[in-house]
Amino acid sequence: DTAVSQTPKYLVTQMGNDKSIKCEQNLGHDTMYWYKQDSKKFLKIMFSYNNKELIINETVPNRFSPKSPDKAHLNLHINSLELGDSAVYFCASSQASRGKSGANVLTFGAGSRLTVL
Amino acid sequence: QQQVKQSPQSLIVQKGGISIINCAYENTAFDYFPWYQQFPGKGPALLIAIRPDVSEKKEGRFTISFNKSAKQFSLHIMDSQPGDSATYFCAARSRGGTSYGKLTFGQGTILTVHP
Repeated sequence: DTAVSQTPKYLVTQMGNDKSIKCEQNLGHDTMYWYKQDSKKFLKIMFSYNNKELIINETVPNRFSPKSPDKAHLNLHINSLELGDSAVYFCASSQASRGKSGANVLTFGAGSRLTVL
Repeated sequence: QQQVKQSPQSLIVQKGGISIINCAYENTAFDYFPWYQQFPGKGPALLIAIRPDVSEKKEGRFTISFNKSAKQFSLHIMDSQPGDSATYFCAARSRGGTSYGKLTFGQGTILTVHP
């Protein structure tokens, strides 16, 4: 199946720990994203990579570090986890194409629910 | 800094009724306005989208109305069905510069369609 796959789906951890979420897409897209969805369901972009190059870096604490080993993968590593990091993290991908209607449609993964205790 | 405002937060509609969700934006540097549908435990999925040079787009029971001068757009779901019960997000895509392609989402609307 062509899709955006995230692992793990659920992650429960203690404050202060370091954790990673992995994302892979087999859609052949050249751009990948991390979005955070808080408890009120608000979706906010964190990072975006185009062909392994960081192109969007919103105001996110330095404890969050994305890594894109190739254009099909974008992982998210979080250091020194805090209670406020509890959220659902969504990976997404798209095919960037300037000026074309319908381009850059995002395909989301199923999400990774992070709970920090 | 919320650039896309969505209302209502929640909406309850009877089966067969019309569901209407509204969004307003502030930034004129948006060039594409998609709507996403999210079911519990799933990621958002593109439902329908519109460009700002078009005033209306219809796909089946779903219609987007776009008012460029008022910077507003809305989603209409005709003949709403219980299977439409989900959270709906409007979004706006940034045009140009380093933010090209960035989607800014509205706050979401939880739609419940009663049978």
